[in-house]
Amino acid sequence: DTGVSQDPRHKITKRGQNVTFRCDPISEHNRLYWYRQTLGQGPEFLTYFQNEAQLEKSRLLSDRFSAERPKGSFSTLEIQRTEQGDSAMYLCASSLAHGDTQYFGPGTRLTVL
Amino acid sequence: AQKITQTQPGMFVQEKEAVTLDCTYDTSDPSYGLFWYKQPSSGEMIFLIYQGSYDQQNATEGRYSLNFQKARKSANLVISASQLGDSAMYFCAITAGNNRKLIWGLGTSLAVNP
Repeated sequence: DTGVSQDPRHKITKRGQNVTFRCDPISEHNRLYWYRQTLGQGPEFLTYFQNEAQLEKSRLLSDRFSAERPKGSFSTLEIQRTEQGDSAMYLCASSLAHGDTQYFGPGTRLTVL
Repeated sequence: AQKITQTQPGMFVQEKEAVTLDCTYDTSDPSYGLFWYKQPSSGEMIFLIYQGSYDQQNATEGRYSLNFQKARKSANLVISASQLGDSAMYFCAITAGNNRKLIWGLGTSLAVNP
């Protein structure tokens, strides 16, 4: 049984560039969550999917951010025109639809120069 | 809305001793879940223990136990027989509502001394 995986683990980009992150959840999990964590803070909710449907987006998710989960399997999070304030750890988690426990991947650490 | 408060920015414990990490919460939802996660320096969030709001008994998972006091809205984590590998950030979190998104505290940094 493989856990949640994320790719890449680290990304360094220049301001203004677009970046895309991928998350592969645990195979039988219907729900997939994205969180963002900045230094010294707890994670903050960004968005979540149940199967392929994106059911909620946080106000933190500006129009430069978009997330997809085609076919209800893996998910991608894209940030367009990156800004230095986007530098953070992006965490993906998955859970069963009627279960509470979310299991996390290793995260993608984004640095915007 | 839900809120988590962790009042201990940093804690020290001697190896093999027990330590309690504090967590208080606030929610108006009668059905909620409380979680503790461990985050080592690598950044991965590792699930430790879960307590449901209707659970009658305190949750235990190996060396981890959750001291759940519903009337006081507290959910403290107790780590027994601390090990050097327990040195990490520890986060308390709560879920409620249909979306079950996690609301997190600021975390407690635990250092285990040899």
